[in-house]
Amino acid sequence: TQLLEQSPQFLSIQEGENLTVYCNSSSVFSSLQWYRQEPGEGPVLLVTVVTGGEVKKLKRLTFQFGDARKDSSLHITAAQPGDTGLYLCAGVGAGNMLTFGGGTRLMVKP
Amino acid sequence: NAGVTQTPKFQVLKTGQSMTLQCAQDMNHEYMSWYRQDPGMGLRLIHYSVGAGITDQGEVPNGYNVSRSTTEDFPLRLLSAAPSQTSVYFCASSWGPEAFFGQGTRLTVV
Repeated sequence: TQLLEQSPQFLSIQEGENLTVYCNSSSVFSSLQWYRQEPGEGPVLLVTVVTGGEVKKLKRLTFQFGDARKDSSLHITAAQPGDTGLYLCAGVGAGNMLTFGGGTRLMVKP
Repeated sequence: NAGVTQTPKFQVLKTGQSMTLQCAQDMNHEYMSWYRQDPGMGLRLIHYSVGAGITDQGEVPNGYNVSRSTTEDFPLRLLSAAPSQTSVYFCASSWGPEAFFGQGTRLTVV
């Protein structure tokens, strides 16, 4: 079983602060995805990173895929209350099967 | 745009009862899957299907059955509910590696 570990599990910060969430695995994935989930809703895909060393930016969010394709990070600049939610990483394996990390619950206080 | 529709949204069962969680998608995706989400454990794959008439087990299949008679529908059956099956259940349909999730069914087994 491929395992993905996310850290931290919980993060509570003030509006305007920066933060980084990490997703680590001992296994190599063909690609890695980040999802955001709000209460009472299903996860929504934010980004897919495919190439080792790849960096993708989505407004204030920066996603990086490790050179060895085993780890990834999500950096949020100047966090806003609207960023509050559960952030999930998912490794894409054979047959596009997804393996999810345990999630990072982010709260951004105004 | 309905996307992935799950019913019911909430359900309380007594131990030993059976029920079916419904999932329908209108995107003509071949790949559909069921996950359960428990605190701190992300989403774990229960069963998946790569097309009508084809199903397979995921990481945590025990206690659950599925069938896929049409491309649109992928119901999940609990034959004899147990308290350990208390969870939030998500259905997803996928286009390549991108998964689209329903809003979830919160199930409590007492």
